[in-house]
Amino acid sequence: GENVEQHPSTLSVQEGDSAVIKCTYSDSASNYFPWYKQELGKRPQLIIDIRSNVGEKKDQRIAVTLNKTAKHFSLHITETQPEDSAVYFCAASRANNAGKSTFGDGTTLTVKP
Amino acid sequence: EAGVAQSPRYKIIEKRQSVAFWCNPISGHATLYWYQQILGQGPKLLIQFQNNGVVDDSQLPKDRFSAERLKGVDSTLKIQPAKLEDSAVYLCASSFRRVDTEAFFGQGTRLTVV
Repeated sequence: GENVEQHPSTLSVQEGDSAVIKCTYSDSASNYFPWYKQELGKRPQLIIDIRSNVGEKKDQRIAVTLNKTAKHFSLHITETQPEDSAVYFCAASRANNAGKSTFGDGTTLTVKP
Repeated sequence: EAGVAQSPRYKIIEKRQSVAFWCNPISGHATLYWYQQILGQGPKLLIQFQNNGVVDDSQLPKDRFSAERLKGVDSTLKIQPAKLEDSAVYLCASSFRRVDTEAFFGQGTRLTVV
């Protein structure tokens, strides 16, 4: 089955700095990669996703990159703000069953004001 | 739009007792998922329904866990008997269809087995 590894497990940055979270996956058939943000005690919420037919996608301060050959993908957050503090999960799935995801173990991002 | 509803929010039981969780997906969503999230880990899929049929239950510990979605809308997940290692947040998610659509998560039920 699919295996997703995520690094780092914790990340602390100063407000305004950039944050990068990296994930690798094992199943070459995976072609849909969502990223979720989970605030303490709340539900995971999709913040951005990327499909394997593109290498990069951007939405305001958030961007994701995908390297299919190396089987890794990354989340980039620029100009971080304290409200970005949360746990971020990467996941991998197949677009023909997009909600059935294998998740990484999460990165706890702390943005210090 | 209304989100995925789950109840109860919290449950504390003793080991060997039974417990049930309830999920009401977003209206019109055909696909429903139950995930188990152990503290410090990412969610892990337990079972997936398409309408009232099971699509994938390969990671469901069937000796103690069961789930149903009888009318293709609400779903219940049951654990009987519970073990200490079942302590986790149980997340329900739904999507409009299987293909190419994101899953929306509920707030989860936090289960503590003592």
